[in-house]
Amino acid sequence: SQELEQSPQSLIVQEGKNLTINCTSSKTLYGLYWYKQKYGEGLIFLMMLQKGGEEKSHEKITAKLDEKKQQSSLHITASQPSHAGIYLCGADSQGGSEKLVFGKGTKLTVNP
Amino acid sequence: SQTIHQWPATLVQPVGSPLSLECTVEGTSNPNLYWYRQAAGRGLQLLFYSVGIGQISSEVPQNLSASRPQDRQFILSSKKLLLSDSGFYLCAWSVPRFNSNQPQHFGDGTRLSIL
Repeated sequence: SQELEQSPQSLIVQEGKNLTINCTSSKTLYGLYWYKQKYGEGLIFLMMLQKGGEEKSHEKITAKLDEKKQQSSLHITASQPSHAGIYLCGADSQGGSEKLVFGKGTKLTVNP
Repeated sequence: SQTIHQWPATLVQPVGSPLSLECTVEGTSNPNLYWYRQAAGRGLQLLFYSVGIGQISSEVPQNLSASRPQDRQFILSSKKLLLSDSGFYLCAWSVPRFNSNQPQHFGDGTRLSIL
């Protein structure tokens, strides 16, 4: 079965700094989703990447998909306290499946 | 626009008691529906998913069951709760995939504590 490994597990940065979170798949990626979760709340959908080399941005968050490396990265520019939370990546588990598998998440803390 | 409602937000139940968590979706028809459990250190675990009324797929053998009595209603149940059922339960929906990837959209979750 497909597994997604996220790195780092946790990250503490100073406000204004840039940061990158990685998501690596054990199998071919057929679609990659990024979510944000605040503690005790549901997941908020950020972006979906479908093609190798695809890059999408949402405000100061940019995500890229490298299919050959079976990896996606999430980059935050000039981080703010509002960016704090847990970032999870999810992927189509089988290619054409209705199900997703998720990484365990990266906890981001942004200190003012 | 589509919205998903999940309740209750928190629940404290004794071991051996029954459970019923409900999830409803508005603003869409024939959605795929999902129940997940999120436990510390274990990530998000898919419990059940449904592609239509009465169609339930179970992903993990366990003490729980799911039902979909109406198109936009998904219920998670147990006859007798175990301590290991504690966790954060999340409901999600998505547009059926057909030939394109579709994101899942999540409810606010239910924090279940078993005493």
